[in-house]
Amino acid sequence: AQSVTQPDIHITVSEGASLELRCNYSYGATPYLFWYVQSPGQGLQLLLKYFSGDTLVQGIKGFEAEFKRSQSSFNLRKPSVHWSDAAEYFCAVGARGYQKVTFGTGTKLQVIP
Amino acid sequence: DAGITQSPRHKVTETGTPVTLRCHQTENHRYMYWYRQDPGHGLRLIHYSYGVKDTDKGEVSDGYSVSRSKTEDFLLTLESATSSQTSVYFCAISEGQDTDTQYFGPGTRLTVL
Repeated sequence: AQSVTQPDIHITVSEGASLELRCNYSYGATPYLFWYVQSPGQGLQLLLKYFSGDTLVQGIKGFEAEFKRSQSSFNLRKPSVHWSDAAEYFCAVGARGYQKVTFGTGTKLQVIP
Repeated sequence: DAGITQSPRHKVTETGTPVTLRCHQTENHRYMYWYRQDPGHGLRLIHYSYGVKDTDKGEVSDGYSVSRSKTEDFLLTLESATSSQTSVYFCAISEGQDTDTQYFGPGTRLTVL
C-alpha cells in the first residue's frame, strides 16, 4: 500500500522568500504524485501532478515540484512567496490504474510581511 | 472548476440521528469519492464509487454507508451519527482514465452534538 509523509506540520516564511515543502512517499513502483492546496474554508485545488517523463513539473500559481526516485521525494517549490499563498498544502500519491489516492497530513503555510 | 456541489454545506445534528450528505457532479465522471478531513489526519477515504451501484470501502468506512443510483449523485449516510463523526466531508470525482486526478467539492461541515 502506498503512503505519504509530510514532515512539516507548519512552516512560516517571509513574503518574497523562497519556499520548499517536503513530501516523501512509499510505493513499490512508479507512482502518480500530486500537490493540492486548500485555502481556509475551501475545497482542495490541484496545483500540479506527476505521471511520467520530465521529473520537474510546473504547476499553477508559479509552483513547481521535482520527482526524485532515489529519495522517494516530491518536494514543492516556489521561488518567491506571495501573501496569497498562505494555505494548507497536501501531497498525495496514487497507484497506476488503481484510482485511489492517499493524502499526506498537510503542511500549513504562514506568510509574514 | 469541475462542476461539483455538496449539500448541505453546514449541518448540526444530535447523536443517534441519521444524516445524509449529497454530492452532485455535472462532469459525467465515472469515479466519485467521499473523504473526511480532520486536524492531524489530512484526508481519509470513507467510500468510493466506480460506477452506478458500484461502491467500495475506504480506510475509515465504519459507521458510514453510500449509494449511487445515478452517475451524477453520490450519497453518504451516517445511519446513527456519533460525536466522532464531527468533521468536514469532501466529495471528489475523477474520470478514471488512468490519471487518478481528483477534483474536489467545497465540503460539508458536520457537527454532531
